[in-house]
This record gives sequence, C-alpha cells and structure tokens, in this order.
Amino acid sequence: AQKITQTQPGMFVQEKEAVTLDCTYDTSDPSYGLFWYKQPSSGEMIFLIYQGSYDQQNATEGRYSLNFQKARKSANLVISASQLGDSAMYFCAMREGPYDKVIFGPGTSLSVIP
Amino acid sequence: EPEVTQTPSHQVTQMGQEVILRCVPISNHLYFYWYRQILGQKVEFLVSFYNNEISEKSEIFDDQFSVERPDGSNFTLKIRSTKLEDSAMYFCASRPGGGPNYEQYFGPGTRLTVT
Repeated sequence: AQKITQTQPGMFVQEKEAVTLDCTYDTSDPSYGLFWYKQPSSGEMIFLIYQGSYDQQNATEGRYSLNFQKARKSANLVISASQLGDSAMYFCAMREGPYDKVIFGPGTSLSVIP
Repeated sequence: EPEVTQTPSHQVTQMGQEVILRCVPISNHLYFYWYRQILGQKVEFLVSFYNNEISEKSEIFDDQFSVERPDGSNFTLKIRSTKLEDSAMYFCASRPGGGPNYEQYFGPGTRLTVT
C-alpha cells in the first residue's frame, strides 16, 4: 500500500501566484515527520521543509509553508509568489522506523508559466 | 556550508561487472543512507547504516549489494554483478543524529548506466 500519495502528477502555475501541492500519508506510528524535497532537472534533491508530528505550528521556510492537518493525514506544500526557478519535481516524503529511513511519494511536476 | 559529495557523477558499466559508488558524508554525521531513483520514478530507500553496521535494508538490497565505511569518511555502495535493471540514479544521504534535526542531506547522485 502507498504510504505517501501525491495525486497531482503535474501542475501549472502562473509566475507570482501561489500554488498548493497535495500530499497525504499513512502511518500508525505516533511519532513521524514529513518532508518536502525539490528535484530540478539537474537531478539533485534539495530539502525544502520539515514538519514533525508533534510540532504545534505549521512549518514555514521563506516562500514555502507546510499545511499540516494531522487528523486528515495531509501535509500540503504551499509555495507563495512562484518563480520560474520553482519549475521542478516536488516530492513529499516521510521518515519512518527507528533509523528514520525516508519514504518518498511519486512526486508532482510543477511548471511555472511566465 | 558542508555538503555530501558523491563520485563518480556518471558511471557506465557492462552487465555482470562490479561497481563501487562512493560517497563522503558530512563529517560529524552519524546516520548514512543509500537511495536509488530509476529514471522517471520515485526515490526508493535501499539501506541505512549506523554505528558501523547496516541498521535497516529494503527488499531491493539483496545479496548483490553491500555497503562499507572503510575509513571513517567514505561510505561506499557496491553492486557485485550489475543487471540492466540496476540502471538508476543513486543518492547517498547523511544526517547528524540526536536532537530534533531529522533532515537528511542528499548528495548530488551518481547516475549508473548498465549496458
């Protein structure tokens, strides 16, 4: 069964607009964490933001914010004021197990239109 | 800023050959990982390494794979007899351990092409 679901294989957004990338997850562990990574066409994995399951507030990092709804098991990424350089693949991921391996979702390809 | 490095950036090998992918994690990190990403697919966990031994491995990480930390700085992934389906991007990652920082720092990846 999929542990991380990203239902949007591809998204388009106008430059300077905000965009929300969806992510839902499945775990029975009370302690877990969720990540978002960006993968541009060059291939590297760039960490964007992290949310712990016990964190009281939603995580924010600059233009990135994570809309964490624990009861719904969702962790959507919001990118504000999109830039052309935001065009990339975005992966939602979850740390799991005693050694915190990361399980990745299938990704969402974001294209920013000028 | 310290970073994870990986060599080579691209490796081409023939089916049946052994390959060693090399990684230098960030120096004070305690947990090390290998992941792979087949072209166009999601990133998959292979193995985690802590305290000089494998702490967890996936079903993909069969007897053809091994990992080593031979000298306290390098972290290697060996594939004994490569198959066509081993063609993928291989990422090394590390994290500090302890405290609330769970971010895994990824290297730039090694693209392995098996012909």
